[in-house]
Amino acid sequence: GAVVSQHPSWVICKSGTSVKIECRSLDFQATTMFWYRQFPKQSLMLMATSNEGSKATYEQGVEKDKFLINHASLTLSTLTVTSAHPEDSSFYICSAIHLERAGEQYFGPGTRLTVT
Amino acid sequence: GNSVTQMEGPVTLSEEAFLTINCTYTATGYPSLFWYVQYPGEGLQLLLKATKADDKGSNKGFEATYRKETTSFHLEKGSVQVSDSAVYFCALESSGGSYIPTFGRGTSLIVHP
Repeated sequence: GAVVSQHPSWVICKSGTSVKIECRSLDFQATTMFWYRQFPKQSLMLMATSNEGSKATYEQGVEKDKFLINHASLTLSTLTVTSAHPEDSSFYICSAIHLERAGEQYFGPGTRLTVT
Repeated sequence: GNSVTQMEGPVTLSEEAFLTINCTYTATGYPSLFWYVQYPGEGLQLLLKATKADDKGSNKGFEATYRKETTSFHLEKGSVQVSDSAVYFCALESSGGSYIPTFGRGTSLIVHP
């Protein structure tokens, strides 16, 4: 148990378009999910904390109007990259907190976004 | 603030060699410590964890001991395999239930047959 999925696993979009990435906890409920960004050969950078039923909390330097986060249910959070630019190309990873397992964090497999 | 420092990679070893990846941390209070593994093109998987001083986390032959006196959580494995080739991240979570982790930069491990 404790599986987190992401969809799509990879996406290519054109500059100026928007793309939505879904993060789902498949077999547990998650009131809190995190969104990370990872550049090649670098660590994960926390972008925002997604809380079910409330606004996301963004880390300093992350544009909330560009990276829209919605956590509409206990098993789904979405990240929408609006008006994408080539510099938004990255590997985006989500994670979900499993409260019934002492707050262990489970990660999705990641989404590779390429903006052309 | 919190920080995690890992040894820089890549670490290149032959199969069956002994592995150590150093990790030290700075944090207030009593954080929980973690090692995550990331295989190419995938997300992170929890490898092991320790939640208090002197605890030893272990999984799949990997071990790490929470050393508060040296603020360290070094990852070790007695005999590595080619399939262990991946990037390893050390991380901490502060006490208090925020669940927001601080990650190290990651250490790439390459194991040759």
